[in-house]
Amino acid sequence: DAKTTQPNSMESNEEEPVHLPCNHSTISGTDYIHWYRQLPSQGPEYVIHGLTSNVNNRMASLAIAEDRKSSTLILHRATLRDAAVYYCILSGSGGSNYKLTFGKGTLLTVNP
Amino acid sequence: GAVVSQHPSWVICKSGTSVKIECRSLDFQATTMFWYRQFPKQSLMLMATSNEGSKATYEQGVEKDKFLINHASLTLSTLTVTSAHPEDSSFYICSARTDPTGGYSPLHFGNGTRLTVT
Repeated sequence: DAKTTQPNSMESNEEEPVHLPCNHSTISGTDYIHWYRQLPSQGPEYVIHGLTSNVNNRMASLAIAEDRKSSTLILHRATLRDAAVYYCILSGSGGSNYKLTFGKGTLLTVNP
Repeated sequence: GAVVSQHPSWVICKSGTSVKIECRSLDFQATTMFWYRQFPKQSLMLMATSNEGSKATYEQGVEKDKFLINHASLTLSTLTVTSAHPEDSSFYICSARTDPTGGYSPLHFGNGTRLTVT
């Protein structure tokens, strides 16, 4: 799997936007960009994914660079419940055996 | 939404005994499930891919005779830690992907099982 690079930690204030960066300079043309997050003592939770175009859903937005070598997860208004480790992962999309390899992720702290 | 349920959520066992962890997809069928392990303050490490009706595929370095995986139905996979030792104490997490009719579907994760071997 292609590797990703994320900052170890970031800090934000409640109700402010948060931009979580991810570098993936060795991404291949067929790799999807996935974002998952893990709250303390829980399993990871899917956040968003994309291939080439920017994506929005109820949880977040994903901005993908034109050359696809980086992406940014955007939380529009951080809440205390958004405090978690955020993982940016590359993988293929299909096949029943596609698997996700987790890196260290970014620990997001949200201050009240 | 798709729900993956793990049981038990925590277990304490004595060294040398075996422990079975169940992973169920509650509202969808999963031909493939994935088992991860996570040590404190570390990331998730993929242990194996569980395939319904066939043998599991283990990642390099994971002992298949120690971590027995059975995926007997489309909604249930089990991980048995045999002859557990204190170094097997960890957070075990399963995940499953809803079988897509076409295109992408995300992984859905259980809430994990905290295993402590004394």
